[in-house]
Amino acid sequence: SQTIHQWPATLVQPVGSPLSLECTVEGTSNPNLYWYRQAAGRGLQLLFYSVGIGQISSEVPQNLSASRPQDRQFILSSKKLLLSDSGFYLCAWSPQNYGYTFGSGTRLTVV
Amino acid sequence: TQLLEQSPQFLSIQEGENLTVYCNSSSVFSSLQWYRQEPGEGPVLLVTVVTGGEVKKLKRLTFQFGDARKDSSLHITAAQPGDTGLYLCAGAIKGAQKLVFGQGTRLTINP
Repeated sequence: SQTIHQWPATLVQPVGSPLSLECTVEGTSNPNLYWYRQAAGRGLQLLFYSVGIGQISSEVPQNLSASRPQDRQFILSSKKLLLSDSGFYLCAWSPQNYGYTFGSGTRLTVV
Repeated sequence: TQLLEQSPQFLSIQEGENLTVYCNSSSVFSSLQWYRQEPGEGPVLLVTVVTGGEVKKLKRLTFQFGDARKDSSLHITAAQPGDTGLYLCAGAIKGAQKLVFGQGTRLTINP
């Protein structure tokens, strides 16, 4: 069966510090991978998605970047965090556009 | 631009009552999905509807996809406190490898 792992669950970082959130998927190959951000328990904002190794599509200009160094690994990064980067970050995968499976999320607080 | 509009955004009702949540758009979707999210966790897929006019039932939950594939509804019969959560609809646009999410409906069922 397929599983998705996202870590850490909670993160408190000072303004100006770097960020690295990691997401890995098991039990499938060549998945579509996604990074979303959710503010205050509302809708999901798509940040990045990837349909293959090294292929990254950015949805909104921001202080963040994404990379896919391996087929089942998706990383969200920042060189210098801003206060506005605080939020709940979710990684997801899908075989196509049907049935996203989400990770358990990372609560990021920038202080 | 919000492609998917969910209504209501907040709903608080008593246990045993019925309710309907709506998801509307001017865009046509190849499929539409409904997710339920608990606080601090990732959304969990409830159902995917693909065909215009399709109706799917999941115990007390009934999902309908509009004939023109632009809208959907979620009806809950005899709501229970365990139904409390954030309900999200998401549409897949043909040819795009991503989902568009609505802003969510926060549902609270009071005992």
